[in-house]
Amino acid sequence: DTEVTQTPKHLVMGMTNKKSLKCEQHMGHRAMYWYKQKAKKPPELMFVYSYEKLSINESVPSRFSPECPNSSLLNLHLHALQPEDSALYLCASSLLPGQGDNEQFFGPGTRLTVL
Amino acid sequence: AQSVTQPDIHITVSEGASLELRCNYSYGATPYLFWYVQSPGQGLQLLLKYFSGDTLVQGIKGFEAEFKRSQSSFNLRKPSVHWSDAAEYFCAVFTSGGSYIPTFGRGTSLIVHP
Repeated sequence: DTEVTQTPKHLVMGMTNKKSLKCEQHMGHRAMYWYKQKAKKPPELMFVYSYEKLSINESVPSRFSPECPNSSLLNLHLHALQPEDSALYLCASSLLPGQGDNEQFFGPGTRLTVL
Repeated sequence: AQSVTQPDIHITVSEGASLELRCNYSYGATPYLFWYVQSPGQGLQLLLKYFSGDTLVQGIKGFEAEFKRSQSSFNLRKPSVHWSDAAEYFCAVFTSGGSYIPTFGRGTSLIVHP
């Protein structure tokens, strides 16, 4: 299994809702990433988990809360989002944290719309 | 700090024509270089990567890229473009002294005319 899966594919939520995005990989990768991508822009790194521990938080607002319950699963909990948070949210994984020659494998993304 | 420049926002080619997408990086040592492709609404797929060795690397879907240290470039090429190649292309770089988080270029949108 060489893929990263993300659910749901699409999510529409109001500003008062609480929702979660899910990412899963079964490649034995120990680094997992959340990116936010606006249309026609490159992905922007949000969080990095290394060996199930949060290692990088790129000054992301607290309305985004990541969680890594185990080495295969990564969640992003959403609460009180703003319309400008509407974007494609991408999950990625790589074999080992801190290794430059480890390519990142990306999931298909969750298209989030905040009303 | 490392940086990646993709000078072309859009490139338009006819189907069957050759393609070259430009990527320049800024870093003192040899970086780890990647090209990714993204179809609309999809995730990023790795086309090819360069770490060391032969400076001409072959990737999937008939793509190749050449690392030129003297020009700090890693341009992506394809001899004959297919309509299905229409997508967004991102060049990315890791650097050995950094945190191994990629820096992405802004992307080049490829439009293919029949």
